[in-house]
Amino acid sequence: DVKVTQSSRYLVKRTGEKVFLECVQDMDHENMFWYRQDPGLGLRLIYFSYDVKMKEKGDIPEGYSVSREKKERFSLILESASTNQTSMYLCASSSERQFTDTQYFGPGTRLTVL
Amino acid sequence: GQQLNQSPQSMFIQEGEDVSMNCTSSSIFNTWLWYKQDPGEGPVLLIALYKAGELTSNGRLTAQFGITRKDSFLNISASIPSDVGIYFCAGDTSGTYKYIFGTGTRLKVLA
Repeated sequence: DVKVTQSSRYLVKRTGEKVFLECVQDMDHENMFWYRQDPGLGLRLIYFSYDVKMKEKGDIPEGYSVSREKKERFSLILESASTNQTSMYLCASSSERQFTDTQYFGPGTRLTVL
Repeated sequence: GQQLNQSPQSMFIQEGEDVSMNCTSSSIFNTWLWYKQDPGEGPVLLIALYKAGELTSNGRLTAQFGITRKDSFLNISASIPSDVGIYFCAGDTSGTYKYIFGTGTRLKVLA
């Protein structure tokens, strides 16, 4: 079974803090994604990566950056957290075995910025 | 960003009833995925569809990739209390790994 893990289930930070969200997958997947999920808005793609050290902006990259130094790990960074970044953050991964392969999600990190 | 139209937004049903929900888009999709999300958890993949007209089952769940490639439905037969949750559809338009997600159908099952 594919396993995607996220470093924290719940996180509380203060405005202006630098925040790191970590995601690790154990299936040797090439592609990894970061989404945020807000009520009524569904899942919105922040960034994705299709290879080590490669990254692409998603639909809402402002205020975020990412890092992919190793194939299994994809980090989301909030350089200076703001209250409007309070949300559920979901990491996902997928393989390149099929041209468009399914995405497998981690359990999510619920971030609260005070 | 673009989102899919998913309906209904929410539904209450009696245990044992069948459930149907669907997603429609103005774009043609190459892939449709259906996920279920329990409260406080990440979405779990239920069914993946890759060809127009494809009908796939997973236990009591059945999903179809519409012939026009612009819609998909998910049916749940003989619902049980653990079917409670939010069901999402997702579609890929261009094979770029960037899926578009529906806003979800919240299902509540009354015992």
